[in-house]
Amino acid sequence: AQKITQTQPGMFVQEKEAVTLDCTYDTSDQSYGLFWYKQPSSGEMIFLIYQGSYDEQNATEGRYSLNFQKARKSANLVISASQLGDSAMYFCAMREPRVMNYGGSQGNLIFGKGTKLSVKP
Amino acid sequence: DTAVSQTPKYLVTQMGNDKSIKCEQNLGHDTMYWYKQDSKKFLKIMFSYNNKELIINETVPNRFSPKSPDKAHLNLHINSLELGDSAVYFCASSQEGAGELFFGEGSRLTVL
Repeated sequence: AQKITQTQPGMFVQEKEAVTLDCTYDTSDQSYGLFWYKQPSSGEMIFLIYQGSYDEQNATEGRYSLNFQKARKSANLVISASQLGDSAMYFCAMREPRVMNYGGSQGNLIFGKGTKLSVKP
Repeated sequence: DTAVSQTPKYLVTQMGNDKSIKCEQNLGHDTMYWYKQDSKKFLKIMFSYNNKELIINETVPNRFSPKSPDKAHLNLHINSLELGDSAVYFCASSQEGAGELFFGEGSRLTVL
């Protein structure tokens, strides 16, 4: 079953406008983390923003904010005042902590399929 | 200073060959990962590893094996390459179970 769903394969936004990229997730854990990454055409993965499941406030980082609705299991990314350089693939991801045999905790990120954002001048 | 570095960035090889991709991180993290990004941009975890335990995604063929000479390195070895192995492979690291993953620049593997 898909754990992270991004329903928008592609989005267009006019420069200087705000845009919301959707992300819903599926987990039965109480403790988890939600992440957004940007991948420009050059290919690198750039971390944007993080939201912990126990965080009461929505995360913000500059022009990025995360609209976290826990009951709906959604973690939408809002980009304000879009710039041409925002054109990229955007990935939502979730970490579910996993208790290891040695007693520590690991947790790789599970990614959604991504949304390609294009900013129009 | 690059935090997570991978070599080579590009690798073109013939089917049936064996190849390796190296990864090094200078962040002092204790957990490293390998992800595969296919032609549709889907990112899938292959391995996660710290110096205590290796987690292998069950869908990864056993032709793929991670090798860690020390805490700062996690190399990826691929035996008997197949056409379907063509992809971009990303190495990443994080502190144990927490925080964001820091990714390398990716290694594009093309199998002919």
